[in-house]
Amino acid sequence: EVLLVESGGGLIQPGRSLRLSCTVSGFAFADSAVSWIRQAPGKGLEWLGFIRSKAYDATAEYAPSVKGRFTISRDDSKNIAYLQMSSLKSEDTAVYYCARDHGWQFDSWGQGTLVTVSS
Amino acid sequence: DIQMTQSPYSLSASVGDRVTITCRTSQTISRSFNWYRQKPGKAPELLIYAVSTLQSGVPSRFSGSGSGTDFTLTISNLQPEDFATYYCQQSHRTPLTFGGGTRVEL
Repeated sequence: EVLLVESGGGLIQPGRSLRLSCTVSGFAFADSAVSWIRQAPGKGLEWLGFIRSKAYDATAEYAPSVKGRFTISRDDSKNIAYLQMSSLKSEDTAVYYCARDHGWQFDSWGQGTLVTVSS
Repeated sequence: DIQMTQSPYSLSASVGDRVTITCRTSQTISRSFNWYRQKPGKAPELLIYAVSTLQSGVPSRFSGSGSGTDFTLTISNLQPEDFATYYCQQSHRTPLTFGGGTRVEL
């Protein structure tokens, strides 16, 4: 069974940093790309970025709205993808999802982790 | 960026109805187009990819069509689990973008 589980969310003060994890099982993680997508409360879906597999040098691309503040990385030995977020703002409050990225379509998703940015 | 305009914003329907949701893209995207369903409190799930290909396990009451900049999701014989929000998404180029969503309610 394909499983993606996000963790690391919670309440964080504005300006601080936070790292989310996406732990994967049930498929060949090392051969797969992973995207991060978020959903602000009551709002739609926003793609944040993705990381390619090691076969493509594990390079990442980002949405303009988070480029320079968010960084995606991966540890294939642990089957984990990360989303490092810095200089967090109240507008970053959202549920954050990781998803298996199959040609830029998302065929499996985690359950999401809530990040609340507030003082 | 490729803009996605989804309509309607919401619609009311009954079990057994046929429902159509449309999505227009700001530029031609060939067949790089997908549909998702999001049930309340749950993660989205892929329904259709490449305009009209049903994801494995998705019931045949879902169908997709379209080309160029105009795309359609049709749900025939609406079931109780289909009362949800639907999103379109383009996979033509980054940044990947979604439509604003269509809420299908009773």
